[in-house]
Parts: sequence; structure tokens; C-alpha cells
Amino acid sequence: VQLVESGGGLVQPGGSLRLSCAASGFGFSNSWMHWVRQGPGKGLVWVAYINSDESTTTYADSVKGRFTISRDNAKNTVYLQMSSLRVEDTGVYYCARDYGYEIQDWGQGTLVTVSS
Amino acid sequence: QSALTQPRSVSGSPGQSVTISCTGTNSDVGGYNDVSWYQQHPGKAPKLMIYDVTKRSSGVPDRLSGSKSGNTASLTISGLQADDEADYYCCSFAGSFTWVFGGGTKLTVL
Repeated sequence: VQLVESGGGLVQPGGSLRLSCAASGFGFSNSWMHWVRQGPGKGLVWVAYINSDESTTTYADSVKGRFTISRDNAKNTVYLQMSSLRVEDTGVYYCARDYGYEIQDWGQGTLVTVSS
Repeated sequence: QSALTQPRSVSGSPGQSVTISCTGTNSDVGGYNDVSWYQQHPGKAPKLMIYDVTKRSSGVPDRLSGSKSGNTASLTISGLQADDEADYYCCSFAGSFTWVFGGGTKLTVL
């Protein structure tokens, strides 16, 4: 199982960014996926979930209406479109695979910094 | 979506046992057996250690064990080793396809 995130970087408050996560080594099209973030020196926070056919997506209250999770099963890739970014959105964003309602496999993360 | 409650830190000497608690509500920990534990070393991605409350992930030694009573889950590490020093996080399914993590516990091996 390999999950490789990309797309992080420095963005100003109010700006947008799209993260990508390329998956390999497992049946991606049948897998549920998550995004989890970790602020600097802080704990893990669940951010978003998407099921295998994109029919169900859910979000943490803190990002609802600002972030959108999506996937392209043909490209084995899951995305996180982030808009109206705030300073408190700063952190490492991990892509993760679900197995049986639990987060099983993790990528190495991509750093998002929201600052003016 | 309130975070599960974990002690900020625990410590123990090599060879000793420590237990880390994770307290939620009957809407998350108490309502489902989808409770997992993760180990995270500094600068690294989290690693699944325990899932379904009590099951060890592949390669995890039987020195680690999980349990649950009511709204509180627990991770016990026996025979502490230096490499066990890390941050530990619990996570629970919270219904309606949402999940919640604990605030994390820093384990120090004295």
C-alpha cells in the first residue's frame, strides 16, 4: 500500500489549494478514503471522508462548506479542494485508507501553511 | 464532534506497564466497536497499532493490548521498551460516516 500526497504549500488567508493523493498497491476503486490533518505541535483531526463511488462524502464541522473531497478512480487519486483558507487550517494533511470503519493506512503527509 | 479525552502524558520505566485511556460518549466510543489506536514518532506518519478495540495490526507485538468499558477505551503497553516512546492517539467511528480522534498522549520511557 502506498499513498503519496502532493499539492501543499504556502497560501494566503482566504486563498485556495488543492491537495492530491496518489494511491497504489491496493484496490483503490473499492476503498473508502479520508483526509486527516495535524496542526503544528498538535493532535490528529479527522477532516473528510469519501466512499468508493463518491456517493457519500462527509466533513468535520470546522471545514464544512469550505473543503471538498473528491476522487478519480481511473487515476487512483483522491483530492481535497480547500477554499477560504484560514490560519488555523495550517498543518500536515494526511491521506488515509479506511478498512472496516477504521483508518488503516496513511501517507507521509503534505504541509499546508496559511499565512500572510 | 468533540475530541475524545486522553491524558496529555504518561510515563514508565523499561519493563513496566502503562495504560492510556480514551474517553468519549455513547455516540462514539460507547456506541461502536470501531475504536483504533495509532503510534506516531516525531516527524513520522501515524501507524495503526490496534483496531476493532482489541485486535492488533500486523506486526504489532502482543505487549500491546486494547480494551473498552462503556465510553472509555484503553491501550495497555507492557514490558515497556525505549522504542515505545511516542505519541499515541485513539480514534472512534462516531456515526453518520464521521470519525473523531483523541487529543493524543505522549508516552515517555524513563
